[in-house]
Amino acid sequence: QKEVEQDPGPLSVPEGAIVSLNCTYSNSAFQYFMWYRQYSRKGPELLMYTYSSGNKEDGRFTAQVDKSSKYISLFIRDSQPSDSATYLCAQGGYNKLIFGAGTRLAVHP
Amino acid sequence: GAVVSQHPSWVICKSGTSVKIECRSLDFQATTMFWYRQFPKKSLMLMATSNEGSKATYEQGVEKDKFLINHASLTLSTLTVTSAHPEDSSFYICSAREAANTGELFFGEGSRLTVL
Repeated sequence: QKEVEQDPGPLSVPEGAIVSLNCTYSNSAFQYFMWYRQYSRKGPELLMYTYSSGNKEDGRFTAQVDKSSKYISLFIRDSQPSDSATYLCAQGGYNKLIFGAGTRLAVHP
Repeated sequence: GAVVSQHPSWVICKSGTSVKIECRSLDFQATTMFWYRQFPKKSLMLMATSNEGSKATYEQGVEKDKFLINHASLTLSTLTVTSAHPEDSSFYICSAREAANTGELFFGEGSRLTVL
């Protein structure tokens, strides 16, 4: 079993849709949960991170962690074509990050 | 935000040659840098953790003699792929953690290696 599981997609949605991206994890030791966005041929950039459980909102993006079900989610409201990218979830501590495989998202006009 | 620069961003080499990739933190000091390898449609795989002034810590299954990592200063880490073979072709990405920051990692833009 992979430590962080993520459906690779691709996920195709129309502009303006609400997007839900999800991951599950198996190791409860690490308390940081991150979402990275990666455009083609570029390195990942951090979108949001949460510590332990709960929700965090930043503009159109909401990150959610449910520790009881070991579920990580990223919601994108009013999705835009510029949101088209691969989204990687990650779980980690100070010196270790474990990434999911990434979900490729395409938002079409 | 902080900037991490990787060079070269794209390199093609012949089988058997060695290739060096540099990772620089441009506006902060990084006590720890990480090297990842990413295959198409695959997750980032941590190869090694590089600490300034000490030997790198390699993940299980990563050949230390194949992938030489040097972290000589607080702003520079290098990855040398020795005697490269076509199976080493991949996208290599570094990240750096700011010395004063216990949270965020900053990623370089990646280096695509193609070995012929």
